[in-house]
Amino acid sequence: DVKVTQSSRYLVKRTGEKVFLECVQDMDHENMFWYRQDPGLGLRLIYFSYDVKMKEKGDIPEGYSVSREKKERFSLILESASTNQTSMYLCASSIRTTGRNTEAFFGQGTRLTVV
Amino acid sequence: QQPVQSPQAVILREGEDAVINCSSSKALYSVHWYRQKHGEAPVFLMILLKGGEQKGHEKISASFNEKKQQSSLYLTASQLSYSGTYFCGTDIHTGGFKTIFGAGTRLFVKA
Repeated sequence: DVKVTQSSRYLVKRTGEKVFLECVQDMDHENMFWYRQDPGLGLRLIYFSYDVKMKEKGDIPEGYSVSREKKERFSLILESASTNQTSMYLCASSIRTTGRNTEAFFGQGTRLTVV
Repeated sequence: QQPVQSPQAVILREGEDAVINCSSSKALYSVHWYRQKHGEAPVFLMILLKGGEQKGHEKISASFNEKKQQSSLYLTASQLSYSGTYFCGTDIHTGGFKTIFGAGTRLFVKA
């Protein structure tokens, strides 16, 4: 059974803290993604990685960074958490083939609240 | 860069049909469709790879018109279990292929 696991379902952090969100997949997928989900805005891509140590900015990278040192793990870092980063964060992975990606598998999400 | 989905929301009675549209200002090479139920992760429904392609998944099917840069999802004889938010996604080539999703269409099916 394929699995994408996010380290926390719920997280509460203080403004200014450095926050780490961890995601692990067990399917040997090349691609990993971090999305942010807010009501009415859908799934917005923060960063994605198509190989170890390779990363690209998505549509809303400001205030975030990522790390992918191993194929199975993709970390999202909030350098200095702010209240406008309160949101649901979803990690996903997929296979990279010629010309496109295959279906994405999502983790259960981390609901982050910054106070 | 997000694909544009319409309508934003739709309410159906059980047994009715619905169409959800997805369009992009950029060329579409592939279109993904996902459904997310409340409190759960999005789940893959189908992917369309080339113009004119149609696919089906139970009573849910989709079409892809690459010339018009749009895709449509058809829900036939809707069931209560179809309720949720539907997302379309497209792969945009950069160094790899990033999958970008639309804002979603909320579908509510009532008895």
